[in-house]
Amino acid sequence: GEDVEQSLFLSVREGDSSVINCTYTDSSSTYLYWYKQEPGAGLQLLTYIFSNMDMKQDQRLTVLLNKKDKHLSLRIADTQTGDSAIYFCAEELTGGGNKLTFGTGTQLKVEL
Amino acid sequence: GAVVSQHPSWVICKSGTSVKIECRSLDFQATTMFWYRQFPKQSLMLMATSNEGSKATYEQGVEKDKFLINHASLTLSTLTVTSAHPEDSSFYICSAGGGSPPYEQYFGPGTRLTVT
Repeated sequence: GEDVEQSLFLSVREGDSSVINCTYTDSSSTYLYWYKQEPGAGLQLLTYIFSNMDMKQDQRLTVLLNKKDKHLSLRIADTQTGDSAIYFCAEELTGGGNKLTFGTGTQLKVEL
Repeated sequence: GAVVSQHPSWVICKSGTSVKIECRSLDFQATTMFWYRQFPKQSLMLMATSNEGSKATYEQGVEKDKFLINHASLTLSTLTVTSAHPEDSSFYICSAGGGSPPYEQYFGPGTRLTVT
C-alpha cells in the first residue's frame, strides 16, 4: 500500500524561506498536492503538480518533484506569520478513483 | 473556487445516540464526495467514497453499519454516526470532487464530534 511521510514540525523566522518535505512509496501517482490546514478548519488546496513535471512555481510557492527518489517538497518564500499552519502533501494514484492519500502533516511555526 | 459547507460545525452528544453530519457543495454539482476523519495532530484518514445515487465505498476497517453514508443528490451527502461512543469523537471532514483534471477536491470546514 501507499505510505506518505512528512517531518512533524518546522520552525522558521518571518521573512525566511520554509521547505517542507514529503516522501512517498507508490510510484504510480498522477498528481501530487499540497494542502494547508489552519486550526479547527478544513483543508485548503495550495498547489499541485502533475507527475511528469519536476518543478512548479506559483507566486511564493515552489514545488519540486523528484520521481526517482519519490520526494516532493514545498518551498514558501518570504514566510509570514499567516503561513503558520499544518501542511499536508497528498498523492493521487493512477486508477485510484480520485482518492487521495495524505501525508502525516508538517506543522509550520513562523516566529517573529 | 468551489465552496463546500458542513453542518453542524461542532456537536456534543451522549454515548449511544446517533449524529448526522451534512456536507453540501454550494456552487457546483459533486458526483463524488469523500468522508475523512482526523484525530488530533494526525493526518486525514479516508473513511468512504460516496457517489451520487449509489452505495458508498468504504475503506478497509471502517464499519459501514456504524457510519451510514447517503448521497441522495449532487449537492448533498450525509454521514450518520450511529450508536456513537467516546472513541468516535473526532474531526470529520468531507470533500467534494469532480470536473476536469486534476480533479481537485474541495474540502468542507469540518465537524468536531465529541461523544460523552
